[in-house]
Amino acid sequence: DIQMTQTPSSMPASLGERVTISCRASQGISNYLNWYQQKPDGTIKPLIYYTSNLQSGVPSRFSGSGSGTDYSLTISSLEPEDFAMYYCQQYDSSPDTFGAGTKLELK
Amino acid sequence: EVQLVESGGGLVQPGASLKLSCVASGFTFSDYWMSWVRQTPGKTMEWIGDIKYDGSYTNYAPSLKNRFTISRDNAKSTLYLQMSNVRSEDTATYYCTRVAGSPYFDYWGQGVMVTVSS
Repeated sequence: DIQMTQTPSSMPASLGERVTISCRASQGISNYLNWYQQKPDGTIKPLIYYTSNLQSGVPSRFSGSGSGTDYSLTISSLEPEDFAMYYCQQYDSSPDTFGAGTKLELK
Repeated sequence: EVQLVESGGGLVQPGASLKLSCVASGFTFSDYWMSWVRQTPGKTMEWIGDIKYDGSYTNYAPSLKNRFTISRDNAKSTLYLQMSNVRSEDTATYYCTRVAGSPYFDYWGQGVMVTVSS
C-alpha cells in the first residue's frame, strides 16, 4: 500500500493567516491526490480533486498543488469556518489511502 | 439535494456479523459507483471498498476483503456493507460515499458508528 505522510498533524493559526498542509506519498502518485475537510460535527466534504481542481462551491482561498510524491493544500486567508480537520487521499494505486489528518486550530 | 443516510450500526460482539445500509436520494443512484470509508476513534481514515454502478464489480482493501462484502440494490437506491467475524479493530464510524468521475468522494453520509466489544 502507498503510505501518505501528512504534516503537520496539528496547526495553530490565526484568522487571515495563510497556511499550507503537506502530504508526501511513499512513491509517485501521478497527481492522483484529493483533499477533504471534516468539520467538528463529522461532516466531510471534498475540497480539491486531482491535485489542483477546486470542487464546485469551495471558496477560491483553497488551492492545491504538487507532483510526484509531494503535494500541498493552501488556504490563502483563514476564515472562521476553516478550522477543521483536513485529509489527503491518494488513488493512484489500490487500495486508496489517506493521510493521518491535520487539525487546524485557532491560535 | 444529494443525501446519503447510513443505518445499522451499534454495539456488536466480537465474531458477530452486522449489515450496514445507506439510502441514497437526490441523484440517480444507478449511475454512480459507491464506496465505503471508515474512520477509527483515533481519526484514521481507511478506504474499505467500492462497487460499480450496476453492482457487477467490487474492489476491496486487501486487509478487509475476506470479511467485508459490499452490495447494492439499485431499485431501492441502497448501498450495503456486510461485515462478518467483526473484531475490536473494526470499531469505527462508517461512511457511505458517492464516487465522482475523477475519481473522488464527492458526497459523504453523516456516518454510522459501530462498536465491537464484549
